[in-house]
Amino acid sequence: GNSVTQMEGPVTLSEEAFLTINCTYTATGYPSLFWYVQYPGEGLQLLLKATKADDKGSNKGFEATYRKETTSFHLEKGSVQVSDSAVYFCALPTTSGTYKYIFGTGTRLKVLA
Amino acid sequence: GAGVSQTPSNKVTEKGKYVELRCDPISGHTALYWYRQSLGQGPEFLIYFQGTGAADDSGLPNDRFFAVRPEGSVSTLKIQRTERGDSAVYLCASSSTGGGKGELFFGEGSRLTVL
Repeated sequence: GNSVTQMEGPVTLSEEAFLTINCTYTATGYPSLFWYVQYPGEGLQLLLKATKADDKGSNKGFEATYRKETTSFHLEKGSVQVSDSAVYFCALPTTSGTYKYIFGTGTRLKVLA
Repeated sequence: GAGVSQTPSNKVTEKGKYVELRCDPISGHTALYWYRQSLGQGPEFLIYFQGTGAADDSGLPNDRFFAVRPEGSVSTLKIQRTERGDSAVYLCASSSTGGGKGELFFGEGSRLTVL
């Protein structure tokens, strides 16, 4: 079945540093791919998504490109802020049956001022 | 309200007791999901409703867990004879579409602690 693997955290960066959080997937077909973020004390919320190969999702300065050749959907941001400190989850739906969503284990990001 | 609402936000119970967790999705959302999240882990799928029916309950760990959505809106997750291993944050999410393309809108979760 479909699955997703994320790099382990925690990731600690200084403000204005470049961020990459790796995500690779295994899937039948070409499902939509998602990044969700969980800020401290809040529920998960969608950060960005891409619905087909070579699509780039972007939001709040974050970007991720759907790369079918490498089965990856890495999250990047050119200059992180303290307010980006959160846990980030890569996710995809199953492509057979009922399209339930599978989540990665999450990567905690801490940005220091 | 505008978002997904979950109650209670916190529940402490004793081993062996019965627990109900409630989810009120965004109005009009036909798809509803329950997940369980343990510390340091990602959300683990439990059950998915499309309308009133459970389209996929393959994630329910055993027959102590049951969920209903009788009118296609509010859903209740029911756990019988709770065990310490059931302690986790139970998340509810809703979506306006199925098919694996729609955004999931999550509630803030119900934290269950079984003593």
